[in-house]
Amino acid sequence: NAGVTQTPKFQVLKTGQSMTLQCAQDMNHNSMYWYRQDPGMGLRLIYYSASEGTTDKGEVPNGYNVSRLNKREFSLRLESAAPSQTSVYFCASKVAHTEAFFGQGTRLTVV
Amino acid sequence: AQSVAQPEDQVNVAEGNPLTVKCTYSVSGNPYLFWYVQYPNRGLQFLLKYITGDNLVKGSYGFEAEFNKSQTSFHLKKPSALVSDSALYFCAVRGNNAGNMLTFGGGTRLMVKP
Repeated sequence: NAGVTQTPKFQVLKTGQSMTLQCAQDMNHNSMYWYRQDPGMGLRLIYYSASEGTTDKGEVPNGYNVSRLNKREFSLRLESAAPSQTSVYFCASKVAHTEAFFGQGTRLTVV
Repeated sequence: AQSVAQPEDQVNVAEGNPLTVKCTYSVSGNPYLFWYVQYPNRGLQFLLKYITGDNLVKGSYGFEAEFNKSQTSFHLKKPSALVSDSALYFCAVRGNNAGNMLTFGGGTRLMVKP
């Protein structure tokens, strides 16, 4: 029972490089989310997908794009990484009023 | 817009003593409230939730939380703290919004000393 799986776990990028963070859930959840966690700021929502085929901006979407590939997978792309995007990224999924389930996180450093 | 405030960056408590981690929220409509815990280098783990019903909610690891509508609060409590409870705690709220988005507070670090 994997739950929410994120890859990679760690990544170091140079400024201007691009990368895609992958997320997959096996719980048949409709909604999926990408958050970033920064010290003292809690988790801030980057993008979310309420259901397959839809995506919407969250609180801090600038510099990111997302793709809801199918019901299971929701990827986050950084087209041109910046040092301000150094953070820990979490993917989550949920249905309706239930709690969200989180992946283990991706620690990204942009140098 | 919905928001969550956790007024304490850190809470220190001695092992065996009761603990409280505070949370207040702002949301339109009925709130759905959650507490999560994060251990070092790990993802968030669900502790408990309030959807409707009794104002005192019991969750995992002996934690409970009290929903107070008039004070818009949802404080996390435990009668007797353990050293292993030391972690980062997040309160979250979900209002009536598309996508069932959760909005998180800034987190409170709980330090339980032997």
